[in-house]
Amino acid sequence: AQSVTQLDSHVSVSEGTPVLLRCNYSSSYSPSLFWYVQHPNKGLQLLLKYTSAATLVKGINGFEAEFKKSETSFHLTKPSAHMSDAAEYFCVVSVYNQGGKLIFGQGTELSVKP
Amino acid sequence: GAGVSQSPSNKVTEKGKDVELRCDPISGHTALYWYRQSLGQGLEFLIYFQGNSAPDKSGLPSDRFSAERTGGSVSTLTIQRTQQEDSAVYLCASSLATSGTSLDTQYFGPGTRLTVL
Repeated sequence: AQSVTQLDSHVSVSEGTPVLLRCNYSSSYSPSLFWYVQHPNKGLQLLLKYTSAATLVKGINGFEAEFKKSETSFHLTKPSAHMSDAAEYFCVVSVYNQGGKLIFGQGTELSVKP
Repeated sequence: GAGVSQSPSNKVTEKGKDVELRCDPISGHTALYWYRQSLGQGLEFLIYFQGNSAPDKSGLPSDRFSAERTGGSVSTLTIQRTQQEDSAVYLCASSLATSGTSLDTQYFGPGTRLTVL
């Protein structure tokens, strides 16, 4: 079975400092992995997607994630946090050979202090 | 272009009533997915459609839940005899294709917030 585990339910950073949101995955197959962001009372927005083309994936708004097979990790990073980054972030895996249904992590709430 | 739309945005109903939630996918997207987001369970898959067929209904929590899709476009999620535990945000997503291709990115609608009193 495929799954993702987000290691922190809440992360707090100061504006201008780096962001690290941690995600580990479990998959018997080469996974498709995603990070989605959800701002308060808004829908889910795709930040970035890994599909085996490159292990370092760049997304929108300065975010990037690195796929590390040896560590089964797909951590999300950003060099410098902005107040507008405050939101909930979901690490997601697409289930192999089941029509692409997504399995979501429990989410990490990111707070950004001025 | 237009994204995924869902209606209504909010629905308040009484326990025992039936509700219908609607999803309009992005034009041309053949795959359509329903998910549920609740405080206790996080984000859960409910059902997906490829065209008008639903190959995977494994996430539907009970036989009170059903969904259909017509014309390869609009989908309706129906909950019969609603219960308080059905209160959640119901999210719809669509994609050009299902998994395994570069076209499988799912785009989400804003959701329908269902409150069962």
